[in-house]
Formats: sequence, C-alpha cells, structure tokens
Amino acid sequence: ELKVEQNPLFLSMQEGKNYTIYCNYSTTSDRLYWYRQDPGKSLESLFVLLSNGAVKQEGRLMASLDTKARLSTLHITAAVHDLSATYFCAVDIPNTDKLIFGTGTRLQVFP
Amino acid sequence: NAGVMQNPRHLVRRRGQEARLRCSPMKGHSHVYWYRQLPEEGLKFMVYLQKENIIDESGMPKERFSAEFPKEGPSILRIQQVVRGDSAAYFCASSPDFQGTEAFFGQGTRLTVV
Repeated sequence: ELKVEQNPLFLSMQEGKNYTIYCNYSTTSDRLYWYRQDPGKSLESLFVLLSNGAVKQEGRLMASLDTKARLSTLHITAAVHDLSATYFCAVDIPNTDKLIFGTGTRLQVFP
Repeated sequence: NAGVMQNPRHLVRRRGQEARLRCSPMKGHSHVYWYRQLPEEGLKFMVYLQKENIIDESGMPKERFSAEFPKEGPSILRIQQVVRGDSAAYFCASSPDFQGTEAFFGQGTRLTVV
C-alpha cells in the first residue's frame, strides 16, 4: 500500500526565517504534487514534479523531487504571514489517476 | 472556463437522512474523482468515474455510499442514512480525457451531520 508521510505536522515559524517541509512516499510514483489549503477552502495547486531531480520555484516556495530516495521537499524562504496555511503533498499511483495525500503540514508564520 | 463546481458548499443533515453532493467538472473534462477530508486530516480517495462508468471505487465505504456520473448532468455522490462519522469535507476533482494530466479540485462540500 502506498503511504505518504509528511513532516513536520505543525510548523510555527517567524517571519523572515527559512524552513523545509519533507514528504516521503513508500513506492514508485510518476508524479508528485504540492497543494496549499487555507482553512475552509479548496486545494490550490502549487507544483507538479514529474522527474528525478526536478526543481520548481514560485516566489518564496521551492519544491524538489528525488525519486530514488522517494522524497520531496518544499522549501520556504524568508517566510511571510501570507504563507500561513496547510500544505499537502500527494503522489499518484502508477497507471491510475488516483492520488494519495500526505497528512499535511500546518504552517503558521508569526511576526 | 469555469472551474470545477460543487454544490451545495455546506450541507447539514440529521442522522438517518440522505445527503446528495453534486459536482460539475470543468468544461471538456470527462474524468471525475471524489475525495473525503476528515477534520485535521489529508484527503482520502473515494471513487473515480468517467461518463456513465465507475472506474475505481476502492475508497468507497461498502454501505450507504454510491456515486454516479451520468451522460448528462453533474456527478452525484450520495450518502444514505448519514451518521455523525460522515461529517467531513467532500472534494471533487476533474481531469481531461487523457491519462497523465493534472486534476483540478472544486471548492468542496462541507457536510455536517447533527
């Protein structure tokens, strides 16, 4: 059974600091996604990572993928309050369109 | 091009009633997925449908839950005789005709069973 684990589950960080969220998955997968969810809202797609070594950046967020280690990271640079949200990684099961989600990381950025 | 539309956004049902959740996929999308999110948890896959066909229902509870995606009209997730444990956010996602493309999520329906 494909399992996706994220850590940390909760992250409280000060504005201006850097931090990394980790996403480990248990079997091979073709694609890995990062989503953002604000309270009571839907999922906003942040990144889709398709191949080993893929790195994508958008603003203060950068995502990378190591398929050999089955690990993806979401790095936050110089955090600002607007980044406060829950972040999910998700991997697809090969030969299906089914996504398995991680447990989520609740990020809170304070002044 | 409107996104994935779900309605209602909020639904309150008493125990034992039926809940019907609707999902209209994005224009041109014929693949629909339903996910459930319990409080403080990630999304869990429930069912994958194409027009008039259930492709994968491995995440659906065996009883009381059913889903359909008719030739015309939205996809419906139906929960019969709801119980408190059914309280959750139910998200629908859709993708185009071919495999390997990203699915887009709707705003979700938040079901509360009282």
